[in-house]
Amino acid sequence: QVQLQESGPGLVKPSQTLSLTCTVSGGSISSGSYYWSWIRQPAGKGLEWIGRIYTSGSTNYNPSLKSRVTISVDTSKNQFSLKLSSVTAADTAVYYCARENIVAYGGGADVWGKGTTVTVSS
Amino acid sequence: EIVMTQSPATLSVSPGERATLSCRASQSVSSNLAWYQQKPGQAPRLLIYGASTRATGIPARFSGSGSGTEFTLTISSLQSEDFAVYYCQQYNNWLLFTFGPGTKVDIK
Repeated sequence: QVQLQESGPGLVKPSQTLSLTCTVSGGSISSGSYYWSWIRQPAGKGLEWIGRIYTSGSTNYNPSLKSRVTISVDTSKNQFSLKLSSVTAADTAVYYCARENIVAYGGGADVWGKGTTVTVSS
Repeated sequence: EIVMTQSPATLSVSPGERATLSCRASQSVSSNLAWYQQKPGQAPRLLIYGASTRATGIPARFSGSGSGTEFTLTISSLQSEDFAVYYCQQYNNWLLFTFGPGTKVDIK
């Protein structure tokens, strides 16, 4: 059973870079059937797709965040990571990593991490 | 960007009753639509993909329908564990997945 676990600082200062890592366990991140994504959710609000990465390193980003987002993968550690630069209070949210299952579910995200809360504050 | 809207924002239903949730896309997404359930403090859970196919392990009381721009999630007989927020998501635009704002199903 594949599981995802987010990790990283829970508090980031304004204008700094938010960095999170998602560790994949119970399966290989290099499986060709999946894309690995980041999604966030401000408190009491809806879900916002941030972007995704394939194990080849190919990425897609939300245009609204593209200038500030970098998603990378480390297949040797079975991890993928998110960096979001120049953060403001508007970036405060629960950040989820998820697996987009292309073969079985067309793109639906069938495995999610539990989420990690990131607060942007000085 | 494909904008997703959901109605109603809140649906009050008694246990055992049917719940019908709507989702609309600003342009056609074909059948590339998923539904998720989210309970407080938990990550979303995939319920439906391809607009009408239940994901593995999802009870038969959950059903989805629609195509193009209009979609429906029906819960045939609400159980206590079904009270949650439900989101629709389009994955037709591969470069930008978008979610609806959610429908909260609460106890009447």
